[in-house]
Amino acid sequence: EVQLVESGGGLVQPGRSLRLSCTASGFIFGDYALSWVRQAPGKGLEWVGFIRSKAYGGTTEYAASVKGRFTISRDDSKSIAYLQMNSLKIEDTAVYYCTRYDSWGQGTLVTVSS
Amino acid sequence: DIQMTQSPSSLSASVGDRVTITCRASQGIRNDLAWYQQKPGKAPKRLIYAASSLQTGVPSRFSGSGSGTEFTLTISSLQPEDFATYYCLQHNSYPRTFGQGTKVEIK
Repeated sequence: EVQLVESGGGLVQPGRSLRLSCTASGFIFGDYALSWVRQAPGKGLEWVGFIRSKAYGGTTEYAASVKGRFTISRDDSKSIAYLQMNSLKIEDTAVYYCTRYDSWGQGTLVTVSS
Repeated sequence: DIQMTQSPSSLSASVGDRVTITCRASQGIRNDLAWYQQKPGKAPKRLIYAASSLQTGVPSRFSGSGSGTEFTLTISSLQPEDFATYYCLQHNSYPRTFGQGTKVEIK
């Protein structure tokens, strides 16, 4: 069974950093691209970014709202994807999901507040 | 960026009703579209991929159609467990974009 489990969320002050992890199981992690999607409280889904598998260069794509502040990486040996979030803003407050698009994690809440 | 315009934003329907939700893309996306269902406090669940292919395990009352710029999700006979919010997602180009969502409520 495919499982994705996010961790690392919490309360952080504006301007600070936070790193989220997505731990995968049940499939060959290195064969798949992974995406991050977020959902602000009471709002719709927003695509954050994406990392390709190593077979496709392991390259990344980002939404304009996070480009230059967020970085996605992966450690295929540990079956973990990361979302490094720097220079956090209040508007980054959301539940963050990692997803293969056919499978999703349960999400982790990031609250940016002073 | 490709804009996905989803309509309606909400609807009220009764059990047994036929429900149709539409997504329009601002430019052609072939059939690179998925539909998701989300219930409160839960992660989205994919219902349809490649515009019209039913995800394994999803009831056959759900169907998708369309190609290019106009897409439809149809629930042929609404069941109590179908009351939720539905989103379309285009994966034709970056950035990926979701529709604004359609909340299906009980009449």
